[in-house]
Amino acid sequence: GAGVSQSPSNKVTEKGKDVELRCDPISGHTALYWYRQSLGQGLEFLIYFQGNSAPDKSGLPSDRFSAERTGGSVSTLTIQRTQQEDSAVYLCASSSYFSEQYFGPGTRLTVT
Amino acid sequence: GEDVEQSLFLSVREGDSSVINCTYTDSSSTYLYWYKQEPGAGLQLLTYIFSNMDMKQDQRLTVLLNKKDKHLSLRIADTQTGDSAIYFCAEIPPAGFQKLVFGTGTRLLVSP
Repeated sequence: GAGVSQSPSNKVTEKGKDVELRCDPISGHTALYWYRQSLGQGLEFLIYFQGNSAPDKSGLPSDRFSAERTGGSVSTLTIQRTQQEDSAVYLCASSSYFSEQYFGPGTRLTVT
Repeated sequence: GEDVEQSLFLSVREGDSSVINCTYTDSSSTYLYWYKQEPGAGLQLLTYIFSNMDMKQDQRLTVLLNKKDKHLSLRIADTQTGDSAIYFCAEIPPAGFQKLVFGTGTRLLVSP
């Protein structure tokens, strides 16, 4: 079946603007994760959704970051008032319950 | 806190074996993973090992786990130019609730 898809693949935005990044997980996967990959910080966890449980937001770097998952499927990561340090590749992954995670191709965000 | 550590760079000739090493942080981690990232792409799951195993072999890939020393290695037999990529080890610590903690990544360069 289809893998994890993310859109857009690239996003360039001006400092101070809001952006939305989308993730479509593998069909049937109950868990969805967002990670960020940047030169300075490597790969870091942002947020985790599991079924209908409250999400684990412990990795979100500031209150400008939020995410939601509608209908237990598609997820949107929103960054408000973007800053240059938000420039990174944002990776989404999904998994079956307590199983290995499969990653999408990522969204490269550049804040100018 | 402690980091998952990997050497930054490895260069081998085509046909040789490659060994990529990783030191992880928590001896109680139950699953340990190896991911491959090609330029401009997301993370591809290569293999994983459960903590009650010492070794796992999957075609050209061999994973060795030393829990006492918290050391994980990935051996690639008969390395090909298509194996050139960045390799990440990752763990899920016991209290991690499925959040992957990644190593710094090892860039493997395979020359003809």
